[in-house]
Amino acid sequence: QKEVEQNSGPLSVPEGAIASLNCTYSDRVSQSFFWYRQYSGKSPELIMSIYSNGDKEDGRFTAQLNKASQYVSLLIRDSQPSDSATYLCAVNTPNDYKLSFGAGTTVTVRA
Amino acid sequence: GAGVSQSPRYKVAKRGQDVALRCDPISGHVSLFWYQQALGQGPEFLTYFQNEAQLDKSGLPSDRFFAERPEGSVSTLKIQRTQQEDSAVYLCASSLMEANTEAFFGQGTRLTVV
Repeated sequence: QKEVEQNSGPLSVPEGAIASLNCTYSDRVSQSFFWYRQYSGKSPELIMSIYSNGDKEDGRFTAQLNKASQYVSLLIRDSQPSDSATYLCAVNTPNDYKLSFGAGTTVTVRA
Repeated sequence: GAGVSQSPRYKVAKRGQDVALRCDPISGHVSLFWYQQALGQGPEFLTYFQNEAQLDKSGLPSDRFFAERPEGSVSTLKIQRTQQEDSAVYLCASSLMEANTEAFFGQGTRLTVV
C-alpha cells in the first residue's frame, strides 16, 4: 500500500463548477498536509497547507482534513480553465523529514 | 534570489557519463530537499539537508548518487556513470525551518540519458 493515495483522474469539470479532489494516507501519525499544483512541464507549486482537523479556506480553495479517517481533500470553487493541472497531495510525519507525495490527480476544466 | 533556482534546466548525458545538478535555495532557508519525478508520478524523495548536514539520504537509489551542501546554501546532486533509468526530472525544494514546514520547489532539471 502506498503511503499517499489519490485518484489519478482525469477529473473533468465544467467551468464554474466545484472540483473535489481526495487523498488518503496510511501513517496515522502524519501531521502536516499540503496540496501542490503542477502544470504540465512545470514544477510543483504550493497552494494549500493544513495541520489540524477541519476546513481551511484560501480564496477559491478549501482544504479539509479528517485525521480520524486519514483523509484530506481539496475543493476548488468556481473552477477556471487556468485551474487545469495535476494536483499533488503531500504528507509529512513528525519523525520524518521528507514529504510523501501521491501520484497526483489531473483536473481538466472545460469552458 | 526570489525563488529556488536550479541549473541546468535540461541535461542530455550519454550512458556512463557523470552529471552534476545544482540547486540554489531561497536565501536563509534551513532545509533543502532533492526529489526525483518520473513522468506521470509524484515526486520521490532522494535526500534532505538541514543547513550543511545531510540528515537523510535514504531515498538515493544507488551509490552512484551523491549530494552535498558544503556551506549550508547551494547544493549539488551528482550522478556517476549515468544509466537510462536515471532519466527523470530532478527537483530541489527548500523550506525556511526544519522539516514539516512549507517547502518551495525549483523549476527542476530534466535529465535524459541516451
